[in-house]
Amino acid sequence: EPEVTQTPSHQVTQMGQEVILRCVPISNHLYFYWYRQILGQKVEFLVSFYNNEISEKSEIFDDQFSVERPDGSNFTLKIRSTKLEDSAMYFCASSADRERNTIYFGEGSWLTVV
Amino acid sequence: GESVGLHLPTLSVQEGDNSIINCAYSNSASDYFIWYKQESGKGPQFIIDIRSNMDKRQGQRVTVLLNKTVKHLSLQIAATQPGDSAVYFCAETYTGRRALTFGSGTRLQVQP
Repeated sequence: EPEVTQTPSHQVTQMGQEVILRCVPISNHLYFYWYRQILGQKVEFLVSFYNNEISEKSEIFDDQFSVERPDGSNFTLKIRSTKLEDSAMYFCASSADRERNTIYFGEGSWLTVV
Repeated sequence: GESVGLHLPTLSVQEGDNSIINCAYSNSASDYFIWYKQESGKGPQFIIDIRSNMDKRQGQRVTVLLNKTVKHLSLQIAATQPGDSAVYFCAETYTGRRALTFGSGTRLQVQP
């Protein structure tokens, strides 16, 4: 069964450092997303991406965050200057199209900012 | 503002019993709902979805019921198994919006 894959599974970084989280969405999907989940809390939407541009973003997705699809398969989330409160599990997700908009999630990248 | 919430944070059932997990939503514009299962350290796993033009949808051992009048959603799991132990989230969105709004989750514990 096709799946969303994410790397790294766990990253520890120092406050102020830049982090890039990588994702390979399901191959025929057109919509890509990043969500995050702070430990013990619910999953929160960050951003959606379609046709090489951001289609929607939440208040969490401020100027320190950016997304990119550098090639035909990868989708990345960059956090420019990490803060302690950025520590969370970051999930990449993808969906096929407007009609079949079931969103499938990856296993997540656990980010720890120290 | 819009919100999706769950009534019970933890549900403990005996193996073989049926489980019912509930969810309330507040956005009357919501027209697409999904249940996800999340095991420890893993990503949300799609279980079943339902659109607002339906009241009920069945899958393998799972049924989702939607009551738009009271903005309530439930997930029924038949013959609950130990492998069903996880946190279950409801999520909702509406036509034209891609982002999902998740509820706070219910932990299902299946006792052998």
